[in-house]
Amino acid sequence: DIQMTQSPSSVSASVGDRVTITCRASQGISSWLAWYQQKPGKAPKLLIYAASSLQSGVPSRFSGSGSGTDFTLTISSLQPEDFATYYCQQANSFPRTFGGGTKVEIK
Amino acid sequence: QVQLVQSGAEVKKPGASVKVSCKASGYTFTSYGISWVRQAPGQGLEWMGWISAYNGNTNYAQKLQGRVTMTTDTSTSTAYMELRSLRSDDTAVYYCARRGGILTGYAFDYWGQGTLVTVSS
Repeated sequence: DIQMTQSPSSVSASVGDRVTITCRASQGISSWLAWYQQKPGKAPKLLIYAASSLQSGVPSRFSGSGSGTDFTLTISSLQPEDFATYYCQQANSFPRTFGGGTKVEIK
Repeated sequence: QVQLVQSGAEVKKPGASVKVSCKASGYTFTSYGISWVRQAPGQGLEWMGWISAYNGNTNYAQKLQGRVTMTTDTSTSTAYMELRSLRSDDTAVYYCARRGGILTGYAFDYWGQGTLVTVSS
């Protein structure tokens, strides 16, 4: 199975800050990487697919990059509605696997 | 618009079975697969398996093999996930999610609202 390791597990930031979350795969997954946002009590929401493609309707302050084993999700200017937990997920092979999550908290 | 609507919360005793439904609308059901993902209280996301709504092919997480069965009913555009021999650590919110096609990198592009399954004696 491909293991997905996210860091940090939590980050405290202020509105307007730039936030970067990293995700590392235990083996190469090309660009088959997705990022999700989850708010408490809600289902996850797709933000980024194929490592860097923005899902329709997602604000442009979200961006993704990387390929192979190392990936990054960046929020260019944190907004109040962005405080949530973020997960990466590999879509390269079965079983699909998720990173452990990164909680973005208010500083 | 695409919607996945799941069945309601369940409370089960250890050793029992549960069957959760996921009714799809707003797209051609047989054109996409459905994955099931669960989330234990305060924990991360765990992929359980996938079923093709086109031909019924499945792929299950190894740790659930033998206890989980995923099926679809194309006449009602509904996917089902049955989990047997329930244990307390199966207590979780269970989500269905549509696996998008290659144009969305096979990501999970739409999700159901979640179904809480509580296993308690």
